[in-house]
Amino acid sequence: GQNIDQPTEMTATEGAIVQINCTYQTSGFNGLFWYQQHAGEAPTFLSYNVLDGLEEKGRFSSFLSRSKGYSYLLLKELQMKDSASYLCAATDSNYQLIWGAGTKLIIKP
Amino acid sequence: GAVVSQHPSRVICKSGTSVKIECRSLDFQATTMFWYRQFPKQSLMLMATSNEGSKATYEQGVEKDKFLINHASLTLSTLTVTSAHPEDSSFYICSASVLEYEQYFGPGTRLTVT
Repeated sequence: GQNIDQPTEMTATEGAIVQINCTYQTSGFNGLFWYQQHAGEAPTFLSYNVLDGLEEKGRFSSFLSRSKGYSYLLLKELQMKDSASYLCAATDSNYQLIWGAGTKLIIKP
Repeated sequence: GAVVSQHPSRVICKSGTSVKIECRSLDFQATTMFWYRQFPKQSLMLMATSNEGSKATYEQGVEKDKFLINHASLTLSTLTVTSAHPEDSSFYICSASVLEYEQYFGPGTRLTVT
């Protein structure tokens, strides 16, 4: 079956760094997305990884290891507005998105 | 670029009535549009995939006669929830894609059925 696993909830301190992990098992694999979703709002795109390695975009970085079926989202210099759910989604061989349940990130002052 | 709008953003309707939700890609032509439903504290659940001019492909467990999807043009798709019941209350989100690997999400529609 197809499955995405990510932690349900994480807590971090303002100004710190947090890493949100995601493991996936899909029928074929074309790439992995990370989305941010604030409560009551639709998801917004953060990153898309196809190749192995780390991609950095400002305070956010995303890493992918295709051989391990593993990705992480790294958030640096955390701000209170980063409190949100972070959704990991993998695309299978048909480019269909398989969604994780999301990780609720709580930022404390 | 790549802006997707949804209308209405919130709707309250009585049980037994029908509600139509519109999804528009404002600055691009979407080859495919997707409809998702999201219950509180849960992830997105894909309901159906629609391509312009053809019938939507529904996910298992989604009633096609209850959730009518029309994709009349490359910039507009509509979802009609027919004979709505309180259990249909949810957050409905559409997304549109140009390339196979990227989706742009609308802001979502909060449906409350009383």
